[in-house]
Amino acid sequence: KQEVTQIPAALSVPEGENLVLNCSFTDSAIYNLQWFRQDPGKGLTSLLLIQSSQREQTSGRLNASLDKSSGRSTLYIAASQPGDSATYLCALANTGNQFYFGTGTSLTVIP
Amino acid sequence: EADIYQTPRYLVIGTGKKITLECSQTMGHDKMYWYQQDPGMELHLIHYSYGVNSTEKGDLSSESTVSRIRTEHFPLTLESARPSHTSQYLCASGTSGGPRLDEQFFGPGTRLTVL
Repeated sequence: KQEVTQIPAALSVPEGENLVLNCSFTDSAIYNLQWFRQDPGKGLTSLLLIQSSQREQTSGRLNASLDKSSGRSTLYIAASQPGDSATYLCALANTGNQFYFGTGTSLTVIP
Repeated sequence: EADIYQTPRYLVIGTGKKITLECSQTMGHDKMYWYQQDPGMELHLIHYSYGVNSTEKGDLSSESTVSRIRTEHFPLTLESARPSHTSQYLCASGTSGGPRLDEQFFGPGTRLTVL
């Protein structure tokens, strides 16, 4: 069974810093990987989708990379802002059309 | 604007009551999903559907049932609510074709408390 791990579980940085969130997975037979943000008590907002044939995707200050061979994805956030404070989740879709979520990294950006 | 909606957003109900959590999407997606999420924990898939009249159980054993009579609507029903059902329930939909295949879009969630 696919296992998804996100490290660190919590991260606190001063405003303006660049940061990297990590997502690792045990089964490389994935269909895609999606990064979400979740604000307290809310649903998930899709940030970036990387298909299995892709290596990275960019949206504004966000860049996500995927390395299937090593079972890793990273989410890079440039010039962090207090509004970026949220929990960031990665989710994998495997070829059997099942989805596996990590437990998330709780990010706090300090003004 | 295409979106995904869940009602109610919050529900407090007594043990033994029957409840239905509503989920609707206007994106024309074939695939829809229900997840359960406890605070600080990962999401667990409880039901999914690949289209009208298609429903499947997910990884997490659930006492709930779902139906998919219309493409845009995927309600979840608990016949007899129990305190162990207290959780957040998230509905999602996804594409079944195109370059963004299997990208998931989530509703705002329903926070259920069973007393």
